[in-house]
Amino acid sequence: AQTVTQSQPEMSVQEAETVTLSCTYDTSESNYYLFWYKQPPSRQMILVIRQEAYKQQNATENRFSVNFQKAAKSFSLKISDSQLGDTAMYFCAFMKPLIRAGGTSYGKLTFGQGTILTVHP
Amino acid sequence: DTEVTQTPKHLVMGMTNKKSLKCEQHMGHRAMYWYKQKAKKPPELMFVYSYEKLSINESVPSRFSPECPNSSLLNLHLHALQPEDSALYLCASSDIVTPRTSSGSSYNEQFFGPGTRLTVL
Repeated sequence: AQTVTQSQPEMSVQEAETVTLSCTYDTSESNYYLFWYKQPPSRQMILVIRQEAYKQQNATENRFSVNFQKAAKSFSLKISDSQLGDTAMYFCAFMKPLIRAGGTSYGKLTFGQGTILTVHP
Repeated sequence: DTEVTQTPKHLVMGMTNKKSLKCEQHMGHRAMYWYKQKAKKPPELMFVYSYEKLSINESVPSRFSPECPNSSLLNLHLHALQPEDSALYLCASSDIVTPRTSSGSSYNEQFFGPGTRLTVL
């Protein structure tokens, strides 16, 4: 079974500063995906960024980037130029594709415990 | 349309009531999911439907009964719930994809709905 660990229950950052959220995972799988999801107080779960395990290049999405260290099983999220709207709970998630007969697949997500990020003006 | 809708937004029910939660997506996704989320905790997978068939039941009590009447709709029927079942219920959907043989499975992001806040009295 997969486990995902987020060791920082809460973090805070000043507006326009940079913050890094940590995530480690444990798996024996070789083919998997990693995600960071954001859940603001409005509770809508929104995908922030994704990384495919077979890709060595770190994913970036505007102000969001990841540091993916496959051997260390580490997947941290860096938020640059933090904005007030970044205030949310952030979940790191591991997805193992579940292969059905015929080769098609859907995903089973395993989430970390979450990090509450507060951006202060 | 990249939206997953859920109704109702809020639901209060007694332990003897029967109610249903509804989820709808029009993205052509053939996998749909129900998650349960307690406050400040990560979502926990309950059920996965693939091609309108139940593929995963994560040992959920029988007082929760899922139904997938067609490829766009997912229902969760509730009966004889307990106060500890009070939570945010999230629906999600994703593509079903065919794995690439050279570099592993294709990516299939889960799109989440805004959730139904359920209170059991």
